[in-house]
Order: sequence, then C-alpha cells, then structure tokens
Amino acid sequence: NAGVMQNPRHLVRRRGQEARLRCSPMKGHSHVYWYRQLPEEGLKFMVYLQKENIIDESGMPKERFSAEFPKEGPSILRIQQVVRGDSAAYFCASSPGTGGGPSSGANVLTFGAGSRLTVL
Amino acid sequence: AQSVTQLGSHVSVSEGALVLLRCNYSSSVPPYLFWYVQYPNQGLQLLLKYTSAATLVKGINGFEAEFKKSETSFHLTKPSAHMSDAAEYFCAVSPSGTYKYIFGTGTRLKVLA
Repeated sequence: NAGVMQNPRHLVRRRGQEARLRCSPMKGHSHVYWYRQLPEEGLKFMVYLQKENIIDESGMPKERFSAEFPKEGPSILRIQQVVRGDSAAYFCASSPGTGGGPSSGANVLTFGAGSRLTVL
Repeated sequence: AQSVTQLGSHVSVSEGALVLLRCNYSSSVPPYLFWYVQYPNQGLQLLLKYTSAATLVKGINGFEAEFKKSETSFHLTKPSAHMSDAAEYFCAVSPSGTYKYIFGTGTRLKVLA
C-alpha cells in the first residue's frame, strides 16, 4: 500500500512562474484534500475534491490558485504567477468518503509527505 | 472560531523519560480530535483519534491521550520515550467530524540519549 503520493517533494520557482503539485490518493480513496502549511503555522484547509468535482474550495486564495481531480490521473494543485508568499509546504490527504464521521473511518484523513515550494 | 494551541514548539526529553505534549482546543461544536506524527521525509501518520467514545484513547507506538472537556485539552503522553519517537507531532480538531481539520503549529520532540 503506497499511501498518498505527492510529487515533486521539493519545487523551486522564480516569481511569476507556475507551480504544479501532484497528488495520487491512497488506493480505494476517492476524496482528496489539499492543505497548506505556511512557515510557523499549522496546516490549513484549502480545497476538497472528488473525481471531476470541486466540493469545497472555501480555503483557496481567490486568485492564482486552482485545483482539479480528473477522471484519470492524479489531483493537481496549480499556482500561477507565484509570489514569495506562496512559499510553503503543501500537503495532500485522501479519505474513503465523508459519510459517518471519523468514528467510522470515513473522515480520517491520510496525508502525504508534502510538497515544499520555494519561491525565489 | 475553532482553534488548536500546542504549547512548546520544541520539547526535549531523555530516553526512558515521560513524554508529555500539550494540546488545547476551542470548539463551539462537539470536536473530534487527532494526533498525527511526522517523521523526517514522511507523511503525517495518524497516532490516535478521539471520536466521542472513551475519553482515554490509546494509539500506536505506546502513545495515549486523554480528552478533558472541562480543560478543553487533549494532551499526548507516553510513559517512556524511545529514540525512535523523535519527530514532529501535530494536534488537530475536526469540528463535528468534518474534513476541515484545524491543526496546531506542531511540536518537535527530541529524545536525548
């Protein structure tokens, strides 16, 4: 069981470039979540996706950030025209589903190792 | 608003000593509480979870945590630290069991030989 796979693990971009972060959920999981950890802060929710659907993007910055989870392939978090403030660790998580709450295991999130973005 | 506070960004203990990592939360709805551990270059691994059943929760690797509603705390303990416990530990709250976890800033545990 490979767990949640994220790549690249480290990404360096110059201001104005685009960053693409990929996430493959655990086998059998159909729900994907992206969290961001800014320096000296806790992880913060960004977006929740199911295949071909954005369910909740209430934590996403309004501009330059987008996420998708296509029918085939990994989920992608895309940051256009990066700025220094985008430097952070981006964590992807997956779960089997949202019904029943954490006591049923449905909402217990399994996290990947994170992708660390550095903007020069 | 819900929040999580982890006291002490760095904690050092001697091998064999008690480990105590503190977590306090605020939540306006019944919380589900979690402790995750992150070893170097790895993902966050679930240590244990509280989901409104028993207030004393046992997790993996000998860790346990006690939910104290009156103190709004969910401190993580282990009776005897091992060198392999050196890692970063995150406390998180999920209001009413949603996917929007709220994380603390983490505590890095160092175990001294």
